[in-house]
Amino acid sequence: GQQVMQIPQYQHVQEGEDFTTYCNSSTTLSNIQWYKQRPGGHPVFLIQLVKSGEVKKQKRLTFQFGEAKKNSSLHITATQTTDVGTYFCASVPTDSWGKFQFGAGTQVVVTP
Amino acid sequence: KAGVTQTPRYLIKTRGQQVTLSCSPISGHRSVSWYQQTPGQGLQFLFEYFSETQRNKGNFPGRFSGRQFSNSRSEMNVSTLELGDSALYLCASSPGQGIWGSTEAFFGQGTRLTVV
Repeated sequence: GQQVMQIPQYQHVQEGEDFTTYCNSSTTLSNIQWYKQRPGGHPVFLIQLVKSGEVKKQKRLTFQFGEAKKNSSLHITATQTTDVGTYFCASVPTDSWGKFQFGAGTQVVVTP
Repeated sequence: KAGVTQTPRYLIKTRGQQVTLSCSPISGHRSVSWYQQTPGQGLQFLFEYFSETQRNKGNFPGRFSGRQFSNSRSEMNVSTLELGDSALYLCASSPGQGIWGSTEAFFGQGTRLTVV
């Protein structure tokens, strides 16, 4: 099964609105990576978080790693049509090096 | 620097046949991993290679196999194809000697396999 659970599975957003997608794990994670896959495309790396409580920003995207390193979030502000795609988190649990796994992804649809 | 190259891009095969997919990683990358992506199952990990050695393997039947060559290029083979093997097969390469998943993965465009 999936190492991390991603919610929501689908996200319909009005252009200009904000939204957040989450990754949750029952075990402590060594790191968390986020990828974006545009329709018809391949996953593209966005960011990696390693430290407890780490927060990183990329323009309108804010990534956060939980204090317990068991969850992560991606928050997008002022959504644009270019944000359409599926966002995946991926991680390695601290007790299972070599078990790098992707979450199921959050598919984002933006309505103009 | 050239990205990850996967060939062929599209493939149609008949049930029972076998298929070989190729992946050329970014120059200097020694870790190559393979994934199967379907609408229902998402990104499913197949295997990961580093310096010609399979380091990790996902939960796929033995019909799925792979290998890595000394130049880091990798191939995956699927024998006795089934309809359910229809999917996008993605290859990714990673830099450095670190543990798989500790650095970013660069994905290829994928091979779209259709089994009829």
